[in-house]
Amino acid sequence: NAGVTQTPKFQVLKTGQSMTLQCAQDMNHEYMSWYRQDPGMGLRLIHYSVGAGITDQGEVPNGYNVSRSTTEDFPLRLLSAAPSQTSVYFCASSLLAGGPGAQYFGPGTRLTVT
Amino acid sequence: DAKTTQPPSMDCAEGRAANLPCNHSTISGNEYVYWYRQIHSQGPQYIIHGLKNNETNEMASLIITEDRKSSTLILPHATLRDTAVYYCIVRSANAGGTSYGKLTFGQGTILTVHP
Repeated sequence: NAGVTQTPKFQVLKTGQSMTLQCAQDMNHEYMSWYRQDPGMGLRLIHYSVGAGITDQGEVPNGYNVSRSTTEDFPLRLLSAAPSQTSVYFCASSLLAGGPGAQYFGPGTRLTVT
Repeated sequence: DAKTTQPPSMDCAEGRAANLPCNHSTISGNEYVYWYRQIHSQGPQYIIHGLKNNETNEMASLIITEDRKSSTLILPHATLRDTAVYYCIVRSANAGGTSYGKLTFGQGTILTVHP
């Protein structure tokens, strides 16, 4: 298994541009989520999904959209990039939507918005 | 989810056991204790989790006190590759709303393993 994969690894955007961060997992996991990590802030949950066709907001959803058309993929869209969205983005997945299971994280996408 | 307290940093000699403590005195009965680590610039890595009983896997052991108010992660033979930030997280398996699935990462403990 490749686990959780993310592309691209690095991205530079200009303010106002849009882009999609890709996340895929090959473990048939129900639950997928996106976090952002900023210095001194820890990881914060952006959006999550408990299965194909089902998404919901986390604690910092503004400026981001998600969709889950397949079990494997959970892309994160930045609608109009702002410098405040400069961050490292991590995708995570776990086998079941409920219960105490482990979450597995991807390697991250480092985004800079100028 | 219950708040956790960890020392900001610890050192360990290579080959020795690393014992990382975590206080979670407000933990409730349905909350699990999780440990993750983050090696520089990489995504967080799951290590182990437990509810009441001590747990062991190929990476580490988790010792939870009988009153569940604290726990210790043990890396039995630390290597240089274990240098990382270690996060102790307490989370309910039944969290709902915007907390669904959310892992709350605090500041963690920076473990430095020395040759």
